Amino acid sequence: QVQLQESGPGLVKPSETLSLTCAVSGYSISSGYYWGWIRQPPGKGLEWIGTISRSGTTTYNPSLKTPVTISMDTSKNHFSLKLSSVTAADTAVYYCARAINLGSYTDYWGQGTLVTVSS
Amino acid sequence: QSALTQPPSASGSPGQSVTIFCTGTSRDVGLYNYVSWYQQHPGKAPKLMIYEVNKRPSGVPDRFSGSKSGNMASLTVSGLQADDEADYHCSSYAGTNTVLFGGGTKLTVL
Repeated sequence: QVQLQESGPGLVKPSETLSLTCAVSGYSISSGYYWGWIRQPPGKGLEWIGTISRSGTTTYNPSLKTPVTISMDTSKNHFSLKLSSVTAADTAVYYCARAINLGSYTDYWGQGTLVTVSS
Repeated sequence: QSALTQPPSASGSPGQSVTIFCTGTSRDVGLYNYVSWYQQHPGKAPKLMIYEVNKRPSGVPDRFSGSKSGNMASLTVSGLQADDEADYHCSSYAGTNTVLFGGGTKLTVL
């Protein structure tokens, strides 16, 4: 059974960098599929952030105002998200998920982690 | 790119059918057959219910069905049950390897 688990600070100060990691178990991320991040501001809908392939190819939401970097560490079987210079608008529950393809649906999700941007 | 449009709420009585609509454009929903729907209970992660417009993952009841016409996709829940009460989110491929989501629809079982 594929499982994903997000981890990282729950509180980040404005203008700092938000960093999250998604640990994957039950499947080797270097074997295939695509791995992505999606967020949900409190009381709002989902917003796709970006996706990374097993070869490290990334694709990001062009509508995001905050600079984004997604990377992966196959030796640890995890992938990561960095959002630079965050603002209060980046406060959200952040989910990591497995995607079938770039731009495709996601079949496994982590439980989500709330990140609050506040001083 | 703009988010897909969903009604904020929908409702139905147990046993009835409810349809939730998701409106996009000719550059996303209307162009690609890559519409998916997710169910989300409060405090939980979304769960894939429909993919590629009308396909159901293993384990999803056939009470859930999807379709598309032009720039609008829809999710129909038949034989409503109490546990169907949740938020439903649509999603579509939007070209150049990007994804759009709708704002979500809260389904209430009366």
